[in-house]
Amino acid sequence: ETGVTQSPTHLIKTRGQQVTLRCSSQSGHNTVSWYQQALGQGPQFIFQYYREEENGRGNFPPRFSGLQFPNYSSELNVNALELDDSALYLCASSSSTSGYEQYFGPGTRLTVT
Amino acid sequence: GIQVEQSPPDLILQEGANSTLRCNFSDSVNNLQWFHQNPWGQLINLFYIPSGTKQNGRLSATTVATERYSLLYISSSQTTDSGVYFCAVYGNNRLAFGKGNQVVVIP
Repeated sequence: ETGVTQSPTHLIKTRGQQVTLRCSSQSGHNTVSWYQQALGQGPQFIFQYYREEENGRGNFPPRFSGLQFPNYSSELNVNALELDDSALYLCASSSSTSGYEQYFGPGTRLTVT
Repeated sequence: GIQVEQSPPDLILQEGANSTLRCNFSDSVNNLQWFHQNPWGQLINLFYIPSGTKQNGRLSATTVATERYSLLYISSSQTTDSGVYFCAVYGNNRLAFGKGNQVVVIP
């Protein structure tokens, strides 16, 4: 069984740039969620994708967008990066058949300068 | 949204000691998970426990859904237990996390 993977591991971007983060879900899982974790805080929900459609969104502006592909992998796109976007971005996969127990990837650490 | 409160925020333990972490949540939920975040940031699943009691080695967890709380027990703590423990509840298609319990186990 393959776990959740994310790429890249680390990323440094400049304010105003755009970034794309990638996530491959665990085998057998059809739902992907993204979370942002600032230093010293708990993860905050960004959005969830199910069957390639956004299935719930947290309190994040529209410059945070996502995609889910037919193989259930996902992308998180952030436009017009701001300094406060510096954080650990976590992807989680789950399945309705297992009660939506979430399994997390290792995360992507984004630094915006 | 659902509010999740964890206590105590910080805990220092002598190796070998036992401890209890508490998680209170504000509304009925579909499930509850406990995680341990390792120094590199990955969230490691400890328990999926919408109700009842589960044990895994030196760790055990109890959730009383009707009273909206969960407890994580660490027995005979080891230095490798150090780190941040998160409680998260699932509802409305998302996990809501508490702020975590920072645990330091000293030898």
